[in-house]
Amino acid sequence: SQELEQSPQSLIVQEGKNLTINCTSSKTLYGLYWYKQKYGEGLIFLMMLQKGGEEKSHEKITAKLDEKKQQSSLHITASQPSHAGIYLCGAGINDYKLSFGAGTTVTVRA
Amino acid sequence: GAVVSQHPSRVICKSGTSVKIECRSLDFQATTMFWYRQFPKQSLMLMATSNEGSKATYEQGVEKDKFLINHASLTLSTLTVTSAHPEDSSFYICSARIPPNYGYTFGSGTRLTVV
Repeated sequence: SQELEQSPQSLIVQEGKNLTINCTSSKTLYGLYWYKQKYGEGLIFLMMLQKGGEEKSHEKITAKLDEKKQQSSLHITASQPSHAGIYLCGAGINDYKLSFGAGTTVTVRA
Repeated sequence: GAVVSQHPSRVICKSGTSVKIECRSLDFQATTMFWYRQFPKQSLMLMATSNEGSKATYEQGVEKDKFLINHASLTLSTLTVTSAHPEDSSFYICSARIPPNYGYTFGSGTRLTVV
């Protein structure tokens, strides 16, 4: 089965500072998804990466997929309170089932 | 677009009763839906894959008779927790693939509390 390890498990960042979350797979990543979740709520889609070396950005969030390292990173620039939440990386199993990492809890302090 | 509506958002039931959770795709047809369970401060655990018109595929360790899944139409999948017990209390989320292979969309989740 796909094993996804996220790091760090949690982080606290001062508002305006940058942060990076990593997601490492035990198997080759053919597709990687990033979601954000508020505790007790549904998942909000952030990015989908499918090709090695692919990089996508939306507003202040950038995600990269490095297939050689079987790793993806999510970078938030100039963090804001709205960036607080749980960030989950997910990868497809057998091409259609999503398996998730344990999540990274982000706290942004004013 | 590609919205999945999940109901109810919260439900409290007594031990021994059954609870049905619905997941509807509002603006697309979902031939495949997925049901996840999430414990506090943990990640999502895939329970089963719901296929329209056929039997659901359950992940290892998930009781088929406890968690009944029905996918009778291209826009509706239901999860019924039968003979619920306090240990079934959890957060349940459904998901659907967005055709054609543009990712996955998730419902808003259902908080089930069994008392």
